[in-house]
Amino acid sequence: AQSVTQLGSHVSVSEGALVLLRCNYSSSVPPYLFWYVQYPNKGLQLLLKYTSAATLVKGINGFEAEFKKSETSFHLTKPSAHMSDAAEYFCAVTRSGGYQKVTFGTGTKLQVIP
Amino acid sequence: SQTIHQWPATLVQPVGSPLSLECTVEGTSNPNLYWYRQAAGRGLQLLFYSVGIGQISSEVPQNLSASRPQDRQFILSSKKLLLSDSGFYLCAWSSNRDRVNTEAFFGQGTRLTVV
Repeated sequence: AQSVTQLGSHVSVSEGALVLLRCNYSSSVPPYLFWYVQYPNKGLQLLLKYTSAATLVKGINGFEAEFKKSETSFHLTKPSAHMSDAAEYFCAVTRSGGYQKVTFGTGTKLQVIP
Repeated sequence: SQTIHQWPATLVQPVGSPLSLECTVEGTSNPNLYWYRQAAGRGLQLLFYSVGIGQISSEVPQNLSASRPQDRQFILSSKKLLLSDSGFYLCAWSSNRDRVNTEAFFGQGTRLTVV
């Protein structure tokens, strides 16, 4: 079985401040991990993914995440928040090979304060 | 390239009425298909998962059902809607063959309001 836990359903940061969204995973086999962003009334868009290559993964819109096996974590960061980053963010896990289900966390809503 | 279509975008239905939401994928074959629901403040809940035609896994007991009559078509249905069925429904697909690109790709969602 696999799962992800996102700590904090709501996070508020000031514009220009560091963004840190936390995700911890549980998987019995090496995982593939993802971060998605969702804007109101829209589908989810992939921000970045980890598929067992480099542990520091860079994505779109200046976001990055680091896979830490010892901590079973895959936290999402951005050095400087922009107003347009306000959205809901989802961490997800799956594993290599076909017929593998993608499991999502419960999401974190990011508020950016001007 | 692959695309996913989901419709309708919004839907208002009375309690007790039937439901049919449709999702189709283009540009790939034998995808894994998913139906998710987002209820207010409750995150993304996996409802159904399918690895092939006629193969449906239900993740949670509920008033809904899913069918996959064709390889790239996934339908979410209900015979009688409940108020609690209101929410934002998302269809998604992922590859079951590509060992690297295993992320899920989402449709634009259907906002269902049961009144």
